Amino acid sequence: DAGVIQSPRHEVTEMGQEVTLRCKPISGHDYLFWYRQTMMRGLELLIYFNNNVPIDDSGMPEDRFSAKMPNASFSTLKIQPSEPRDSAVYFCASSTSRTSGSVGWETQYFGPGTRLLVL
Amino acid sequence: DAKTTQPPSMDCAEGRAANLPCNHSTISGNEYVYWYRQIHSQGPQYIIHGLKNNETNEMASLIITEDRKSSTLILPHATLRDTAVYYCIVSGSARQLTFGSGTQLTVLP
Repeated sequence: DAGVIQSPRHEVTEMGQEVTLRCKPISGHDYLFWYRQTMMRGLELLIYFNNNVPIDDSGMPEDRFSAKMPNASFSTLKIQPSEPRDSAVYFCASSTSRTSGSVGWETQYFGPGTRLLVL
Repeated sequence: DAKTTQPPSMDCAEGRAANLPCNHSTISGNEYVYWYRQIHSQGPQYIIHGLKNNETNEMASLIITEDRKSSTLILPHATLRDTAVYYCIVSGSARQLTFGSGTQLTVLP
């Protein structure tokens, strides 16, 4: 498997513009996670999906952020409008519940991340 | 989820064992101990996890004390490629991982 795929790998945009980050999870995985990493706040969970349904979006910072998962092989994280404080590395991860007997034994596989710079 | 305490940084000589400690004195009975690492500019990578018993895989060993209040990740023969930030996470669910600041392990030649 190619692992979790994220695009673009780097994004530079101007304040106020819409930004869309994309993620393709590992085939067969039923959980998908979006994280954000900054120097100040570290690695934070933004939202996660199970079988394409958002389960917990309590980490989404504000209404400017939205995430969708239209099918099992694709998810987007959108920021509209973007602000300089949104500059960060955004990671997508996936996992499966189908090979373990307990929720504690699932492993998250992370993508390479998207480095976003909002000017 | 229980809070963890890790030293901010450690050095280890190449070829020697790296022992990374983690304190989690408030861990509850249904919480697991997870270790992930993040090599510079990459996404975090799963290493190992455990509940009560010691665990070993091809990457590392995890030693959990009997009272479960602390644990140690052991990389038996550290290489330069093991230089990374190592995160110790305690959670009742692998879907709710809270990453702290971790330990920056530097393997020295």
